[in-house]
Amino acid sequence: KAGVTQTPRYLIKTRGQQVTLSCSPISGHRSVSWYQQTPGQGLQFLFEYFSETQRNKGNFPGRFSGRQFSNSRSEMNVSTLELGDSALYLCASSIGSGTPDTQYFGPGTRLTVL
Amino acid sequence: AQKVTQAQTEISVVEKEDVTLDCVYETRDTTYYLFWYKQPPSGELVFLIRRNSFDEQNEISGRYSWNFQKSTSSFNFTITASQVVDSAVYFCALSEGGYGGSQGNLIFGKGTKLSVKP
Repeated sequence: KAGVTQTPRYLIKTRGQQVTLSCSPISGHRSVSWYQQTPGQGLQFLFEYFSETQRNKGNFPGRFSGRQFSNSRSEMNVSTLELGDSALYLCASSIGSGTPDTQYFGPGTRLTVL
Repeated sequence: AQKVTQAQTEISVVEKEDVTLDCVYETRDTTYYLFWYKQPPSGELVFLIRRNSFDEQNEISGRYSWNFQKSTSSFNFTITASQVVDSAVYFCALSEGGYGGSQGNLIFGKGTKLSVKP
């Protein structure tokens, strides 16, 4: 079974631009979560989607948004990029059974904001 | 509030040494789940183990073993006879909730960087 895939793997943007990251979950997984990893703050939860609905949200500004499609693929969007948004963005998928399942992570998208 | 503490920022050992990575968690829930992930230099988080709060049995998987003690809120990870390929950052994580709870809110520790030298 193929793992979680994320595209693109690397991205360079400038301040003020917006960016869209994509995540394809493991086949059969219906929950997709997004995390931001930075050297200073570590791994922080952004949001989770299940059946095209946002089910949980972390403490990030409204510039960070996401969506999920009917095939469970998910996209994350960051508008008006700031230097501090430079990070590794990780997507994770899980079955979504109702109890905290194991989340399987993709390779991440490394975003650099100049 | 939930919190995961990995007090060891970096550990360096020589190949074949045993090494234990510490993890202490805080939660007010009686139902919770604990995880360990490995992050090699490539960046992808690799799942190692999931343990729920009702299962205090220790687990062994090859050279890896985990010691879960609710009395001290700890979930420590031991690598026996370490190898160079074990070099990575290891994260302990906590997820709260029982049936119907969200999947997504993993609370991570800051990670322990393990370097295994030949």
